[in-house]
Amino acid sequence: AQSVTQLGSHVSVSEGALVLLRCNYSSSVPPYLFWYVQYPNQGLQLLLKYTTGATLVKGINGFEAEFKKSETSFHLTKPSAHMSDAAEYFCAVSVDNYGQNFVFGPGTRLSVLP
Amino acid sequence: GAVVSQHPSRVICKSGTSVKIECRSLDFQATTMFWYRQFPKQSLMLMATSNEGSKATYEQGVEKDKFLINHASLTLSTLTVTSAHPEDSSFYICSASPGGLGETQYFGPGTRLLVL
Repeated sequence: AQSVTQLGSHVSVSEGALVLLRCNYSSSVPPYLFWYVQYPNQGLQLLLKYTTGATLVKGINGFEAEFKKSETSFHLTKPSAHMSDAAEYFCAVSVDNYGQNFVFGPGTRLSVLP
Repeated sequence: GAVVSQHPSRVICKSGTSVKIECRSLDFQATTMFWYRQFPKQSLMLMATSNEGSKATYEQGVEKDKFLINHASLTLSTLTVTSAHPEDSSFYICSASPGGLGETQYFGPGTRLLVL
């Protein structure tokens, strides 16, 4: 069975600073990895996903993530935080490439300080 | 593209009544739809998976007689919370997947249920 951990339930950064949200996974088979963002009282919006191919994945809103198999990690980064980035971020893993069987991490709340 | 809607966005009901939540894929056909529950400041917990025309598959610990799921068409799934109690108050989120290779899940905006 697969699982996801996200180090840091709450991360605070200053506006303009680097954003780094950590995600580690465990999976017995090659994983498919996703990052979603959730704004208050809203559903989840896909930021980016890794399926196969290039390990550095670029997503929307300037975010990117790198799949590192040796570290079983899929950390999310953004060079410069904006106030609008404040939200809850969820990492998810799946063992199929058909949009099924997602397991979500516990989430990380990102605060952006002026 | 890939828009999923939920209705209602917020509902308040009395204990003992039933509440129906609709989930629609607006611009694609959803082979599979998923229902999640999210408690405050927590992650999403999968409740059930439904395929069009089939009975839903419920996760362990989820009462299928309490949370009735119907996936009557490729664009509509409904979750009915029967005889709702205050402990059923939560944020319910649906997602839909076209099911093809390389696809993902597209999430609805969620429904906030408050049972008094």
